[in-house]
This record gives sequence, structure tokens and C-alpha cells, in this order.
Amino acid sequence: QVQLQETGPGLVRPSQTLSLICTVSGGSVNSGDFYWHWIRQHPGGALEWIGYIFHSGDTYYNPSLKSRLSISMDTSNNHFSLILSSVTAADTAVYFCARRPRITIRSFDFWGQGILVTVSS
Amino acid sequence: DIQMTQSPSSLSASVGDRVTITCRASQGVSTYLAWFRQKPGKAPKSLIFGASKLQDGVPSRFSGSGFGTDFSLTISNLQSEDFATYYCLQYTHYPPTFGGGSRIEI
Repeated sequence: QVQLQETGPGLVRPSQTLSLICTVSGGSVNSGDFYWHWIRQHPGGALEWIGYIFHSGDTYYNPSLKSRLSISMDTSNNHFSLILSSVTAADTAVYFCARRPRITIRSFDFWGQGILVTVSS
Repeated sequence: DIQMTQSPSSLSASVGDRVTITCRASQGVSTYLAWFRQKPGKAPKSLIFGASKLQDGVPSRFSGSGFGTDFSLTISNLQSEDFATYYCLQYTHYPPTFGGGSRIEI
């Protein structure tokens, strides 16, 4: 069974860059059968979709974050990454990575456990 | 972006009850509607996709229905593990958007 695990710093200073990695086990990020997504949950519970990457390197970002966001993939280490620049307190959230099958009507079927990132000085 | 409106935002129920949560989309999403259950400190867990299809391993007490803009999730014979927060998600139009959540309390 596939598992996803987010890693990264739990505290980021305002105006700095947030970097997270999602490591996949039990499956390959290089599979053409899945899109690999980032989703975050703000304090209070609101869920916000961030973006995805496909094995070809194609990406799609939430327009609200596009100017500050980059998602990349490292197939040799079987992980994909999120980089969010110029962070503010509004970027404080639990960040999840998740998988979505490409050719079915299934939605996000497997998620990582999530990592809390706090933006504070 | 498509706005997803869930109701109620919270409700009280007892073990064995039947409960229904609704989700309304600001524009049609066909059947690209999913439901998730989230317990405190955990990731959302997929329950329903395609508006009415049960995710593998999800008990049959969960059922979903709807098309277009109006959807519902029904839990029959509520169990203790079902006291949690439920979210709907539309994923036909990018960016995918979630409802605000419905909390089921004892």
C-alpha cells in the first residue's frame, strides 16, 4: 500500500522560503497513473488546494499562490517537493501531500499525515 | 473558483443515528464530488468519490448522492469513529475546492 510522508521545518520566518518534501513509499512518483498534489489546512479547518506535479514534470498551481510557488519532483529519491517563497503568517497551516489517480473519477485517495508549518519571527 | 457550501456546520447525534450532510456547488460539477472524514490531528480520509462511489474499504453505512450542484452524504447507524469533521470537494474545475466542513458531535 502506498504511503506518503511530509518532512521539513516546522518554523519559518516571515519573508523567508518554505520548503517541504513528500516521500512516497510503496509506489513510484514516476508512474504515469497518478498526479501528486499538495494541499494545506489553515487553523480553523479550511482546506486549500496548492498544486500538483505529474511524472512528466508538468505542474499546475493554485492561481492564488502561483507567483510564490514551485513544485518539483526527484524520481531518483522518489519524492516531490514544494517551495513557497515570501511567506507570511497567512501561510501558517498543516501541509499535506496526496495522490490522485489520473484516468479515473477517483479523487485524492492517499494522503500523508501532514506537517504543521508555523510562520513566525 | 467554485464555492462549496456545506450544511450544517455542526450537528449533534448519537450512536446508531442516521445523519445527512449536504454540499452545494456554486456551479455544476457533474459527479466530480468527493467526501472525506477527518479526525483531530489526522489527514482527511477518502469516503466517497464520483458523488456516490464508495472508496475501497469504506463501510456500506456511508452513501453519497447528487449531481450538478447539490450533493449529500448520509451515514446510517452512526458509529463512535464517525464523530469527526466531514468535508466535500469538487474536483472537476481547477483549482479543486473544499467545503467548509461539517462537524458531527456526540
